[in-house]
Amino acid sequence: DTGVSQNPRHKITKRGQNVTFRCDPISEHNRLYWYRQTLGQGPEFLTYFQNEAQLEKSRLLSDRFSAERPKGSFSTLEIQRTEQGDSAMYLCASSLALGGNSYNEQFFGPGTRLTVL
Amino acid sequence: GDSVTQMEGPVTLSEEAFLTINCTYTATGYPSLFWYVQYPGEGLQLLLKATKADDKGSNKGFEATYRKETTSFHLEKGSVQVSDSAVYFCALSDQNYGQNFVFGPGTRLSVLP
Repeated sequence: DTGVSQNPRHKITKRGQNVTFRCDPISEHNRLYWYRQTLGQGPEFLTYFQNEAQLEKSRLLSDRFSAERPKGSFSTLEIQRTEQGDSAMYLCASSLALGGNSYNEQFFGPGTRLTVL
Repeated sequence: GDSVTQMEGPVTLSEEAFLTINCTYTATGYPSLFWYVQYPGEGLQLLLKATKADDKGSNKGFEATYRKETTSFHLEKGSVQVSDSAVYFCALSDQNYGQNFVFGPGTRLSVLP
């Protein structure tokens, strides 16, 4: 399967613990995005990378959140000192950006569902 | 900032009924517009897209036309099937925002046999 993969698929943690999620994009894709989706809502943009550079971060991404893409391939999203409000589905997407103003289709992974007790 | 509004669900239809899910948007630039579908237990899948005004996106019997004058991108299907039961998200991608998506809240569709 050459789609976007995310691990783990589910994570249950206690408030105050740190958690880390991993996303493996489609191999030739140079852009990688993180979104958060809460129940009954659409996904909300968190951050994106072009290769290893983090180019944009949403105001939703508090200081407790950090994302990396060290070699321009897989990415990790870490949440420190988790709070109950962090409970959500965390989605990763990737795309191949060819430059200019052309549209780049984003392919989504299945998500990691986080539950903070 | 950019935003997307969708009709509230859930929408319940009988098989072979006509479907319309309304979507309107607000954007500062010239966005591309999309419909994504999320089947139970699965990730988001692109259903169709339109990248400029008056474009019509179509796929699997679904259609949507990019209407710049009414800032709308309504989703339609002439005859729904039980297998179309899912959550449908309208979204836009604005070049001014690095091409990240702005999604609507989603509309849950249930099709009864």
